[in-house]
Order: sequence, then structure tokens, then C-alpha cells
Amino acid sequence: AQSVTQLDSQVPVFEEAPVELRCNYSSSVSVYLFWYVQYPNQGLQLLLKYLSGSTLVKGINGFEAEFNKSQTSFHLRKPSVHISDTAEYFCAVSDLRKGAGKSTFGDGTTLTVKP
Amino acid sequence: DTAVSQTPKYLVTQMGNDKSIKCEQNLGHDTMYWYKQDSKKFLKIMFSYNNKELIINETVPNRFSPKSPDKAHLNLHINSLELGDSAVYFCASSQDPASLRPLHFGNGTRLTVT
Repeated sequence: AQSVTQLDSQVPVFEEAPVELRCNYSSSVSVYLFWYVQYPNQGLQLLLKYLSGSTLVKGINGFEAEFNKSQTSFHLRKPSVHISDTAEYFCAVSDLRKGAGKSTFGDGTTLTVKP
Repeated sequence: DTAVSQTPKYLVTQMGNDKSIKCEQNLGHDTMYWYKQDSKKFLKIMFSYNNKELIINETVPNRFSPKSPDKAHLNLHINSLELGDSAVYFCASSQDPASLRPLHFGNGTRLTVT
């Protein structure tokens, strides 16, 4: 079985500060990892994904994440956040057998960017 | 053009009623899903259809019945609504069931049962 733990349920930061949203996973097979963002009253959108190759993945809106196999982590980072980054962020894990549709999602991290 | 669209956006109804939510995707994907997001934002898959065939059915009460008239549409009918059914329901699609390409989500239907 797979599981995803997002270590922070809420992360408040000031505008232009750096931010890290933490995600740990557990799995007995090779994994594929995703970060989705959910803006208020909208569905989830993909921020970035790790399938293979370089462990540092760049996504949209200046976000990046690093896959760390030894620490089973996939933390999301942004060097300078904007007010518009305020949203819910979900880490998700899947594997070749399941496909993205049957991903296991974390409980979400609410990022609030203050002026 | 909206890729995955679902209607209605909001649905307020009383316990015991029957209601439907509709979803359509114009991405040419083979696979569609229904997810439920509860008040704590926890997201859980309910059903998946691939080319009109049910492939995932996660221990959901049989009051919930999905229907896929064609691969571009997946509707969700709920009978005898209960207070605990209040949630946001998201439709999503993907290329195929095994694809690792990301899901495309609709904007959600907020169901409130009173």
C-alpha cells in the first residue's frame, strides 16, 4: 500500500518570502509523484510531476520540487511567493500499476500568503 | 474552451432527495473519474470509467450510481441524499487508466444536503 503525508496542514508566509511545503511518501514499489494546486472554488491543477530522470523538477508559476529517494520525500519549494499563490496544495503518489487516476493524495497544505 | 466541465456548480437539497451531477470532457480522453472532497479537503476517488466501462468502484454506498453514456461524459446520480453526502464532488479525466499523465479536473460541484 502507498501513503502520502503532508507534514504541514497550514503554512502562512509573507509575500516575497521563500516557502517549502513538505511531502513524505511510503511505497514498496517505484513511485511517480505529483503536486497539484487548488485555487479557491476551482478544481486541482498540476503544478509539476516526477516520473524519472533528474530529481529536481521545475513546474509552473516558479515552483520546483526535489525527489529524494533515500528520504522518501518530494518537497515543494518556491523562492519568492506572491499573494496569488494562496491556495491548497496536494501531493500525490502513484505507480505504474495504478496510473495517475488512482493516485493516493495527501491531506493537503493550505498556503496563505500575506501582504 | 473548458477541458472538463461539470454542472451544476452548486447544489443545495434536502435529505431524502435524488440528484444528479453531470460531467463532460473535450480532451479526447478515454478515462473519467469521480472524486469526493470532504470538509477537511481530503480527496478520495469514488469511481472510474474507461471507454464507458466501470473500472474502479471504491466502497461507495450503492445510493451513488455513475453512468457513462459515452467516453466524453460521466454523470453521477445520488439517491436518498444524506447529510454526510455534503461535499465537493470533482470530475476528472485522463488519457487512459494506466497513464501517468496528470489528471485534468473540473471545477467541482459543491453539494449541500440540509
